[in-house]
Amino acid sequence: GAVVSQHPSRVICKSGTSVKIECRSLDFQATTMFWYRQFPKKSLMLMATSNEGSKATYEQGVEKDKFLINHASLTLSTLTVTSAHPEDSSFYICSATGTGGWYGYTFGSGTRLTVV
Amino acid sequence: GQNIDQPTEMTATEGAIVQINCTYQTSGFNGLFWYQQHAGEAPTFLSYNVLDGLEEKGRFSSFLSRSKGYSYLLLKELQMKDSASYLCAVKDDSWGKLQFGAGTQVVVTP
Repeated sequence: GAVVSQHPSRVICKSGTSVKIECRSLDFQATTMFWYRQFPKKSLMLMATSNEGSKATYEQGVEKDKFLINHASLTLSTLTVTSAHPEDSSFYICSATGTGGWYGYTFGSGTRLTVV
Repeated sequence: GQNIDQPTEMTATEGAIVQINCTYQTSGFNGLFWYQQHAGEAPTFLSYNVLDGLEEKGRFSSFLSRSKGYSYLLLKELQMKDSASYLCAVKDDSWGKLQFGAGTQVVVTP
């Protein structure tokens, strides 16, 4: 079945530094990647949608200069949290959809980001 | 605007049946998904409905009524491992975005 590998699973960084999160589709071409963040006991909040080779489309209220998304190939998308602050601490999850007959969405395993 | 409602929490005993309702009002509709999410983990796919009716998959079934903007997920023969959050998500027309409900925390007791 479709698999999305997300790394790292956990990261702790200092305030002011940047963190990159990667999502790779292992056995299908991810034409579209969605990035979510989730606060404890809350639902998934869509941050942005990216299509391979195009600029990401950000949801209202999400700072595009703070959350940089790159979807340079059909198997890799990255989210970089720039100049991280403690309020950016959250669970970040990617989800991919693409070719191969699967009409659904495959989620990565998530990244727990803690900014200290 | 987008609105997807589901109960916050439900409790049931092992072996019982629980039905999680989801009502939605969205600008577009191209299918409804149910996901299971354990704490600290990513959601896992349970079911997909795009036409009205019941889809059965083992212990889990999902129902959709597009005219009523309503779906439910039925969990039968509950097991302790079914304790998790269950997310209802509607596929938007634009870009195929998924809009998630807040999730229903199901607690299975012995």
